[in-house]
Amino acid sequence: GENVEQHPSTLSVQEGDSAVIKCTYSDSASNYFPWYKQELGKGPQLIIDIRSNVGEKKDQRIAVTLNKTAKHFSLHITETQPEDSAVYFCAASKIGNEKLTFGTGTRLTIIP
Amino acid sequence: NAGVMQNPRHLVRRRGQEARLRCSPMKGHSHVYWYRQLPEEGLKFMVYLQKENIIDESGMPKERFSAEFPKEGPSILRIQQVVRGDSAAYFCASSPPALTNYGYTFGSGTRLTVV
Repeated sequence: GENVEQHPSTLSVQEGDSAVIKCTYSDSASNYFPWYKQELGKGPQLIIDIRSNVGEKKDQRIAVTLNKTAKHFSLHITETQPEDSAVYFCAASKIGNEKLTFGTGTRLTIIP
Repeated sequence: NAGVMQNPRHLVRRRGQEARLRCSPMKGHSHVYWYRQLPEEGLKFMVYLQKENIIDESGMPKERFSAEFPKEGPSILRIQQVVRGDSAAYFCASSPPALTNYGYTFGSGTRLTVV
């Protein structure tokens, strides 16, 4: 089955700087890659996703890049703000298979 | 438009009791998923259901765990004879058909503590 690895497990960034979180996946048939943000005591919230027919997607300060050959994808947050502090999860899935395989999460702390 | 509703938010059970976790999907969503999250870990898939059908239960433990999504009413995740290792946060998510077009919407979870 699919295996998703995520790095780093913790990340501290000065407010205003950029943060990058990386994930690799094992199943070359995976073609849908969402990112979720989870705040303390809440459920995960979808923040951005990308499909394998696209190499990059951007939404304001958040962007995701995908390298299908290397089987890795990354989340980029620019101009970080204190409210970006949370745990971020990457995930992978195949079209037609609705099960998501999640990474182990990155705890992002923005230092004011 | 209410999101995915899970209840209870917190549930305490003694070892050997039964736990029932409820999930009402978003309006218009016909697919329900249950995930388990252990402390400081990612989410692990348990089961995927559509109305009156279990589509994929490959992540469900073979014993004591069951799930249903009846024609009327919420989806239920049932854990019989709970043990301490069942303590975790259980998240329900829903989606319309074609996950990859829309993604999941998660509820706020039920935090189960077995004492």
